[in-house]
Amino acid sequence: GAVVSQHPSWVICKSGTSVKIECRSLDFQATTMFWYRQFPKQSLMLMATSNEGSKATYEQGVEKDKFLINHASLTLSTLTVTSAHPEDSSFYICSARDQAGGLNSDEQFFGPGTRLTVL
Amino acid sequence: AQSVTQPDIHITVSEGASLELRCNYSYGATPYLFWYVQSPGQGLQLLLKYFSGDTLVQGIKGFEAEFKRSQSSFNLRKPSVHWSDAAEYFCAVGARYGNKLVFGAGTILRVKS
Repeated sequence: GAVVSQHPSWVICKSGTSVKIECRSLDFQATTMFWYRQFPKQSLMLMATSNEGSKATYEQGVEKDKFLINHASLTLSTLTVTSAHPEDSSFYICSARDQAGGLNSDEQFFGPGTRLTVL
Repeated sequence: AQSVTQPDIHITVSEGASLELRCNYSYGATPYLFWYVQSPGQGLQLLLKYFSGDTLVQGIKGFEAEFKRSQSSFNLRKPSVHWSDAAEYFCAVGARYGNKLVFGAGTILRVKS
């Protein structure tokens, strides 16, 4: 149980285009999902917290107009990188909290990540 | 400020040898601590977590970690390393009922035969 998937697993795009990444909780409902960014040989940095049915909360320094997050259902959150540039190339990882775990569930389940390369 | 320090960027151990990965944290409230493992190109897999209770916690794949409040540490150990343990290991801290996890920089484990 508690499986999170991401699609696509990798994507290459041209500079100036937009890319959408999907994050799905496959066997549980996730009120809250998180988006992280990982640069090569570095740790994960939280970009934003996505709550179903409301606007995402972005971390300081993350451009909300650049990284559009939509969490339209309890099992799906999307991250759209708009007008992508080479510096946006990175490994993007999502995670989700199991709603059924209640307030005592502090565990985040992570997706396998999406490798974005912008040419 | 909340932070996690993993002092060792790389560690190399021989297969069958014991392993200890260090993690120190700085957190203003009661910390909830996690260890994750990441294989190349993969997402993170939870090895173990500590919320409260017994300070020695057992995880998957034969790993354990000990919470030491006085030292603000949560070191990960394994008595006998297998070649398949080669990966990157992340320590993370969060708040109870909270959402944000703060990750350390990671430690890359290499296993030599």
